[in-house]
Amino acid sequence: GESVGLHLPTLSVQEGDNSIINCAYSNSASDYFIWYKQESGKGPQFIIDIRSNMDKRQGQRVTVLLNKTVKHLSLQIAATQPGDSAVYFCAENIYAGGTSYGKLTFGQGTILTVHP
Amino acid sequence: ETGVTQTPRHLVMGMTNKKSLKCEQHLGHNAMYWYKQSAKKPLELMFVYSLEERVENNSVPSRFSPECPNSSHLFLHLHTLQPEDSALYLCASSQEGTGGNSPLHFGNGTRLTVT
Repeated sequence: GESVGLHLPTLSVQEGDNSIINCAYSNSASDYFIWYKQESGKGPQFIIDIRSNMDKRQGQRVTVLLNKTVKHLSLQIAATQPGDSAVYFCAENIYAGGTSYGKLTFGQGTILTVHP
Repeated sequence: ETGVTQTPRHLVMGMTNKKSLKCEQHLGHNAMYWYKQSAKKPLELMFVYSLEERVENNSVPSRFSPECPNSSHLFLHLHTLQPEDSALYLCASSQEGTGGNSPLHFGNGTRLTVT
């Protein structure tokens, strides 16, 4: 899962396994959450988002779960492939009230390595 | 292929140089952002432009100066930088209404090295 510190958490899985990446967010007032994937040499790429009025959302091979009680977010990747190897970030939007834009706060990231 | 294009991809500059980073978004969005990504740190928000107006300046030193001439273009002017400013600078855009509940779309960044 996410942590504050000098080293990113890592997750190593075999191709075809399911992966679960965890994130603890900080602000109970956050109302919107996003998962991003960042490959080497590229910018963060949007994967899936979820609003605080939901606890689960599914995409293609990915599922995001939100537990507001314990301020926990997870990303599940089904049938993980070598192309899924990347750094995964969670981000929370802290609604600033009356503004038209978001202020995303990012976690430090988790390195996912998928072995063939 | 990203809808947000950043140039240059790599930049090496001395502490006394002046340079500019450029960002262009092709998504029709109305908000643009500069983020800084340093090793071992989460992404840090620097500036936000919403409807071409700067609405956020996140305590960024004045040696970084943003410019947003229209809703599709964003610049970051750099002068008298320090070695600790070396980082990946990411531009992003989003379509905003009230509340900001829409994802940011990022470019691939400019890798800046200050010598």
